[in-house]
Amino acid sequence: DTEVTQTPKHLVMGMTNKKSLKCEQHMGHRAMYWYKQKAKKPPELMFVYSYEKLSINESVPSRFSPECPNSSLLNLHLHALQPEDSALYLCASSQALTVNTEAFFGQGTRLTVV
Amino acid sequence: QQQVKQSPQSLIVQKGGISIINCAYENTAFDYFPWYQQFPGKGPALLIAIRPDVSEKKEGRFTISFNKSAKQFSLHIMDSQPGDSATYFCAARTQGGSEKLVFGKGTKLTVNP
Repeated sequence: DTEVTQTPKHLVMGMTNKKSLKCEQHMGHRAMYWYKQKAKKPPELMFVYSYEKLSINESVPSRFSPECPNSSLLNLHLHALQPEDSALYLCASSQALTVNTEAFFGQGTRLTVV
Repeated sequence: QQQVKQSPQSLIVQKGGISIINCAYENTAFDYFPWYQQFPGKGPALLIAIRPDVSEKKEGRFTISFNKSAKQFSLHIMDSQPGDSATYFCAARTQGGSEKLVFGKGTKLTVNP
């Protein structure tokens, strides 16, 4: 099983809403990532978790709040977003930060902020 | 130093032709070079990857050529098919599994039937 599952696939939210994106993997990976991808651009790293601890925050605004409740799950809590936050949000996982192996991406959540 | 420069931005190839996408980097600490294929509305999928101790890696119709001295690597797609039409990203990662995959800007490949 090399699958990273993201839910929901699509999300439309107002600027005053609170929503969460979910990501799950069962590959035993201990590094998990959130990326943001705008149209026709490469993915941009937002957060990295290593062994359920936040390792990297790429200066992401506080309206994005990550959470890693266990080694298989990664959440991204959204609050008071702006229309420019509309993008494809990708979750990825890899074996561990100390092991240089491939990162597997989920299918993404297409987020539209209205 | 952290950049990976990818070219061309877009590429149109006839069915059966060879598609070639090039990437260049400056950071000699990069030690792992994957290529990702992304279809519209989908997440990137790992296509093939190479480490700098080999000059070429082939998987089916996909080949990575790596030139360590020139700090360049390229993806060759042989016998290109319409189903290969997608955006391709090269990427690089530093030794020891650094957190960041540094992506190129992507190449949109169109294979005409």
